[in-house]
Amino acid sequence: LAKTTQPISMDSYEGQEVNITCSHNNIATNDYITWYQQFPSQGPRFIIQGYKTKVTNEVASLFIPADRKSSTLSLPRVSLSDTAVYYCLVGPNDYKLSFGAGTTVTVRA
Amino acid sequence: GAVVSQHPSWVICKSGTSVKIECRSLDFQATTMFWYRQFPKQSLMLMATSNEGSKATYEQGVEKDKFLINHASLTLSTLTVTSAHPEDSSFYICSARERTSGIIYEQYFGPGTRLTVT
Repeated sequence: LAKTTQPISMDSYEGQEVNITCSHNNIATNDYITWYQQFPSQGPRFIIQGYKTKVTNEVASLFIPADRKSSTLSLPRVSLSDTAVYYCLVGPNDYKLSFGAGTTVTVRA
Repeated sequence: GAVVSQHPSWVICKSGTSVKIECRSLDFQATTMFWYRQFPKQSLMLMATSNEGSKATYEQGVEKDKFLINHASLTLSTLTVTSAHPEDSSFYICSARERTSGIIYEQYFGPGTRLTVT
């Protein structure tokens, strides 16, 4: 499985856009990029998944450059309730998920 | 979206006893279920992968005789922590994977079970 590197923590304020970049230099051809969100004492929640270019849903956008060696999760206009740990996972779609350390995002009023 | 439930949500047991945790996919059939463990302020660690009707595959370092996994149906998997010790106290999370179409798989996580061994 491709190793991922993402910042340990990020601080933001309500209403701002938060961008979290994940590096995955050894991503394989059949690997997808998936982001999960986890609140304390809860199971992770799927946010978004992509293979290349840009993917957008009602919660976030995922930007993937042509070389796919990194990806950026964009959270528009965050609120206090977006304070959580965000995990970037890279791997084949039908394989087990391996979680890294994640990025703790803290949104302040 | 699909829902995965876990029972109990928290449990306290005495050292040396066994405790069973259930994981259910409520509105879909899960071809594969996964069990994770998470210690405070740490990431999720995959313990094992289970497919319905077959033996679970354990990750390196996870004792299969201590953490018994049974995936009896397409909607139920159980994790039994045998002879629990205080160091087994952790947050246990299951997930279930659904094959939606073709090669697309979606994985849904349960709410977790907090185990405290005294």
